[in-house]
Amino acid sequence: NAGVTQTPKFQVLKTGQSMTLQCAQDMNHEYMSWYRQDPGMGLRLIHYSVGAGITDQGEVPNGYNVSRSTTEDFPLRLLSAAPSQTSVYFCASSSNGLSRYRETQYFGPGTRLLVL
Amino acid sequence: EDQVTQSPEALRLQEGESSSLNCSYTVSGLRGLFWYRQDPGKGPEFLFTLYSAGEEKEKERLKATLTKKESFLHITAPKPEDSATYLCAVQEGGDYKLSFGAGTTVTVRA
Repeated sequence: NAGVTQTPKFQVLKTGQSMTLQCAQDMNHEYMSWYRQDPGMGLRLIHYSVGAGITDQGEVPNGYNVSRSTTEDFPLRLLSAAPSQTSVYFCASSSNGLSRYRETQYFGPGTRLLVL
Repeated sequence: EDQVTQSPEALRLQEGESSSLNCSYTVSGLRGLFWYRQDPGKGPEFLFTLYSAGEEKEKERLKATLTKKESFLHITAPKPEDSATYLCAVQEGGDYKLSFGAGTTVTVRA
């Protein structure tokens, strides 16, 4: 198993450009999410999905779009990049379920984004 | 208002010098408290999940404990390879979402 994979590892954008950050997992996990990590602020949830075709907003959704057409993939789209979106982006996944001992979230290696 | 606060922000230890990291939380109806380790340039790596006050879990030199308002991560006789940022996160009620603290960066000198 590759676990959670993210591409690209690093990207530089100009203000106003668009791009898609890719995330894939091969563990058949229902739940997937996107976080951004900024110095001194911890990880903040952008969007999440509890299964194919179902997405919802997290704490900081503005400027980002997501879709979930398959269980494996959960891409994050920046429609018009802004310098405030310079950050490190992490994708995570876990098995679904409301049981108390459900599996924890596993994180990808991250995408470092610089918006000029 | 922050739901999860970690202290200290940074901790410098001598090899073998035991210490503790604190994670305080304000959520009601805690579903789970998670500890992760993050190395520079990498994604968070899962360490422990704690579900109820009084629970303890251990892994090598790390031991996590939980009370009704906070969790501690104890590092016993640390080694340089324990240097990392340790993240705490909480899950509330019936929610899938995790709320993270800002982390504690631990540096262990040989």
